[in-house]
Amino acid sequence: EAGVTQFPSHSVIEKGQTVTLRCDPISGHDNLYWYRRVMGKEIKFLLHFVKESKQDESGMPNNRFLAERTGGTYSTLKVQPAELEDSGVYFCASSHRTGVDVLTFGAGSRLTVL
Amino acid sequence: GDSVTQMEGPVTLSEEAFLTINCTYTATGYPSLFWYVQYPGEGLQLLLKATKADDKGSNKGFEATYRKETTSFHLEKGSVQVSDSAVYFCALTPRYNQGGKLIFGQGTELSVKP
Repeated sequence: EAGVTQFPSHSVIEKGQTVTLRCDPISGHDNLYWYRRVMGKEIKFLLHFVKESKQDESGMPNNRFLAERTGGTYSTLKVQPAELEDSGVYFCASSHRTGVDVLTFGAGSRLTVL
Repeated sequence: GDSVTQMEGPVTLSEEAFLTINCTYTATGYPSLFWYVQYPGEGLQLLLKATKADDKGSNKGFEATYRKETTSFHLEKGSVQVSDSAVYFCALTPRYNQGGKLIFGQGTELSVKP
């Protein structure tokens, strides 16, 4: 089966611009997660979708971040306007059954804000 | 809150050397513990896991034992290969959380030289 696909793999933007990251989970996986690794630090949880509903968005840093999963398939994470501290690697993961199955991660989208 | 601390990298070893990457955790109750690995250009992959005290997870020659008394889950391998060069992340899932959320350490980069 195809894995979790993320794009772009790398995006370089200016401070104040907008970037949209996309994640295509494994087909049939209801659970979709976004994580972020900033400046070589720990990978931090951002939010969790179950189908199209946000189950837990406690890790979203502020209202400049907007995540959507229309139709319960792919998800987008928009950063608007981007700030320097948003630079990092954004990981997406999916799983079939909540809290039971191990998460399958994508390769990540590296965001550089200049 | 729950957290994971792992030894700082980068760690540089010669091929066939013994590897230990330390990981300690703070958590309420008894979490499940994981080691994930990220090879260059790839996504995070589950390396091994342990779900209760004294369990030993193992895979690809790597081992880690869930030590409740020391709240540790150190990763070991008896003889590393160049192909083991990657970033290793220790992580936990809190016992009370059924949403599949993972809490990660900061990652340890391993470089194995021939």
